[in-house]
Amino acid sequence: AQSVTQPDIHITVSEGASLELRCNYSYGATPYLFWYVQSPGQGLQLLLKYFSGDTLVQGIKGFEAEFKRSQSSFNLRKPSVHWSDAAEYFCAVGEAQGGSEKLVFGKGTKLTVNP
Amino acid sequence: NAGVTQTPKFQVLKTGQSMTLQCAQDMNHNSMYWYRQDPGMGLRLIYYSASEGTTDKGEVPNGYNVSRLNKREFSLRLESAAPSQTSVYFCATRDRYSQETQYFGPGTRLLVL
Repeated sequence: AQSVTQPDIHITVSEGASLELRCNYSYGATPYLFWYVQSPGQGLQLLLKYFSGDTLVQGIKGFEAEFKRSQSSFNLRKPSVHWSDAAEYFCAVGEAQGGSEKLVFGKGTKLTVNP
Repeated sequence: NAGVTQTPKFQVLKTGQSMTLQCAQDMNHNSMYWYRQDPGMGLRLIYYSASEGTTDKGEVPNGYNVSRLNKREFSLRLESAAPSQTSVYFCATRDRYSQETQYFGPGTRLLVL
């Protein structure tokens, strides 16, 4: 069964500092991988996704993520965090073949940004 | 183009009461989903519908029923609400042509007393 682990429940960074949120997945085949962001009281918004090709993917709001098959990881990064990035971030994995309908989400990492 | 809409935004129920959460999409997507979100648990899939006329159980289906009324609408029903169903409920749709990407509604906050 697929699973996603986000080891950090809560991360605090200062505005302007760099950010890396960790995501590890368990899946036998080539996965589709996603990062979503959820601002307080809002739904989830897609930040970026990986399904094939270049292992470094760019997303919205200046975020990027790198797929490392050998480490089963898909970590999210941003070079300089803005106060508006404070939110909860979810990593998710979906099947890449067979038309599976489902995504499996990690439990999320809450990001606090200090001024 | 509203995307994915959910009604109501907030609801308070007493234990044993029933209610239906509504979800509608104007994205012409075939697949629709219901998730619940609880603190520290991430999103857990309740039910999903791959296409009009089909529904399947997800990870946590007990206590819920669903109806895929047509391509646009997917409702979630609580027949006899329990305090354990206090949660935030999200509806999502999937774009089959965009590598499993799912698009989420704004959520319904449900409190069961």
